[in-house]
Amino acid sequence: QQPVQSPQAVILREGEDAVINCSSSKALYSVHWYRQKHGEAPVFLMILLKGGEQKGHEKISASFNEKKQQSSLYLTASQLSYSGTYFCGTEIRIGGKLIFGQGTELSVKP
Amino acid sequence: DVKVTQSSRYLVKRTGEKVFLECVQDMDHENMFWYRQDPGLGLRLIYFSYDVKMKEKGDIPEGYSVSREKKERFSLILESASTNQTSMYLCAIADSALYEQYFGPGTRLTVT
Repeated sequence: QQPVQSPQAVILREGEDAVINCSSSKALYSVHWYRQKHGEAPVFLMILLKGGEQKGHEKISASFNEKKQQSSLYLTASQLSYSGTYFCGTEIRIGGKLIFGQGTELSVKP
Repeated sequence: DVKVTQSSRYLVKRTGEKVFLECVQDMDHENMFWYRQDPGLGLRLIYFSYDVKMKEKGDIPEGYSVSREKKERFSLILESASTNQTSMYLCAIADSALYEQYFGPGTRLTVT
């Protein structure tokens, strides 16, 4: 079953922070985050494994709450280059397929 | 640099035609995937392959088939194209289902 992302869209000013959430109805083994800029292919940001630590990537970090089957992506001091659609992908078992959420469109304005 | 190439960026076909979309990788990765992307629905998995001649159905395999005769090449086949198969098709590769997937540029298919 497809994970649910919220919000569906968000508009920020440069320098503002944002949080994107990803919720699943099933117990998760891992959560992947990808970003897709307009007209381009999705690009991997990070993976969070069950029992693992919070991951970080420059000013973008994420957490994984195994009990709630939820992950959150944190974008700090957003830059224009952060604009795009963010997808979470969830995996319910090791070696299983990724199921992607519907995406969250992020727009950063100057 | 990882390179995933797809045979066409844009394709227009007529209803009922047989359509081949091809994906080629230069990374020697075992896993290859076909997704379709539609507004508001995200990325939905059609089929994936974890080895030559091996394939598994994804979430929306109806109306599609795949072929993987060589490790570097994974083809998506629409046996009889229909208008509801108009979409963006993305190929991806991964050296393991655990690790990051690398996506190709996509093929925007229009079926008229």
